[in-house]
Amino acid sequence: KAGVTQTPRYLIKTRGQQVTLSCSPISGHRSVSWYQQTPGQGLQFLFEYFSETQRNKGNFPGRFSGRQFSNSRSEMNVSTLELGDSALYLCASSSGQYINEQFFGPGTRLTVL
Amino acid sequence: ELKVEQNPLFLSMQEGKNYTIYCNYSTTSDRLYWYRQDPGKSLESLFVLLSNGAVKQEGRLMASLDTKARLSTLHITAAVHDLSATYFCAVGFGNEKLTFGTGTRLTIIP
Repeated sequence: KAGVTQTPRYLIKTRGQQVTLSCSPISGHRSVSWYQQTPGQGLQFLFEYFSETQRNKGNFPGRFSGRQFSNSRSEMNVSTLELGDSALYLCASSSGQYINEQFFGPGTRLTVL
Repeated sequence: ELKVEQNPLFLSMQEGKNYTIYCNYSTTSDRLYWYRQDPGKSLESLFVLLSNGAVKQEGRLMASLDTKARLSTLHITAAVHDLSATYFCAVGFGNEKLTFGTGTRLTIIP
């Protein structure tokens, strides 16, 4: 079974720009979660989508948004980038059932200059 | 707000020694996960603990869960260099939302 894939793997943007990251979950998985990892804040939950609906949301500003398509692929968008948005963005896939293991993708390393 | 604390944050240990990483959390949960992360890499799932008293072992790693004490431990037996990594515990809260601990950076010294 293919794992979780994320594209692009690396991205360099400048302040004020916007960025879109993509995540393809494991086949058959309907839940996609997004996390931000930084040295200072650690791993923080952004949001989770299940069957094209946002089911959970973390404490991030509205500049961070996402969506999920009918094939369970998900995209995350960050608008008006700030220096502090530089991070590793990880997506995790699971079946979406309660008490279920999440499998993480390789991540997208975003650098904001 | 759920808080998850790990200790120690950094751990250097000699090969062949045993040690334990602790994970405390502040709110009742029945799902506790352990992950491993190598430098520059993503998270690898190690254990899923779903009930009080659950114990799981894989090789030199053993994880346990005490939901009453809100404590999970990751025990390393006879450490080897390949176990050098950062280990995270995460608590399940609501549908699919994980709250992660700060991580424990483990370095195994030959």
